[in-house]
Amino acid sequence: KQEVTQIPAALSVPEGENLVLNCSFTDSAIYNLQWFRQDPGKGLTSLLLIQSSQREQTSGRLNASLDKSSGRSTLYIAASQPGDSATYLCAVRDPGRRALTFGSGTRLQVQP
Amino acid sequence: DGGITQSPKYLFRKEGQNVTLSCEQNLNHDAMYWYRQDPGQGLRLIYYSQIVNDFQKGDIAEGYSVSREKKESFPLTVTSAQKNPTAFYLCASSIGPSGQEEKETQYFGPGTRLLVL
Repeated sequence: KQEVTQIPAALSVPEGENLVLNCSFTDSAIYNLQWFRQDPGKGLTSLLLIQSSQREQTSGRLNASLDKSSGRSTLYIAASQPGDSATYLCAVRDPGRRALTFGSGTRLQVQP
Repeated sequence: DGGITQSPKYLFRKEGQNVTLSCEQNLNHDAMYWYRQDPGQGLRLIYYSQIVNDFQKGDIAEGYSVSREKKESFPLTVTSAQKNPTAFYLCASSIGPSGQEEKETQYFGPGTRLLVL
């Protein structure tokens, strides 16, 4: 059964710092991996989707990488801003399972 | 404006009561999902539906029921058999079986917070 782990559980950084969030998964046979953002009390917003055949995806200050063989993904946030404060969730889609398997998230606080 | 709506935003349940959470989408998606989120945890799958009049249990279906009579709607009922219903409930949808599974993403509604009185 697929398991997704995110480290650290919480992170506090000063504004302007570059940071990396980590996600690991136990079964490398995945269709894709997604990173989501969740603001307190809100739904999820998709940030980046990396297909199994891809190594990375970029959107603005965000860059996500995928290493399927080692079961790892990282989300890199450049020049962090207070508006980046949120919980970031990683999720994988497995063959034969329509729904996503989620990690427990990393709660990010960017201090002005 | 396409998207997913959930109502109500907050719901209070009395002991022994069944309550129903609404989820509607106008994205023309075939697949819909219900997830439960507990504090500090990721999302866990309750039920999903790939097509009208069909649905499957997820990882934590006990104490919940669903219906899929229309493509746009996938209501979730939290029954009195669910002993610990306090949580944040998220509905999602995706395009459904398309042969392009690697590219498929899920879109989420704003959530319903269920509290027990």
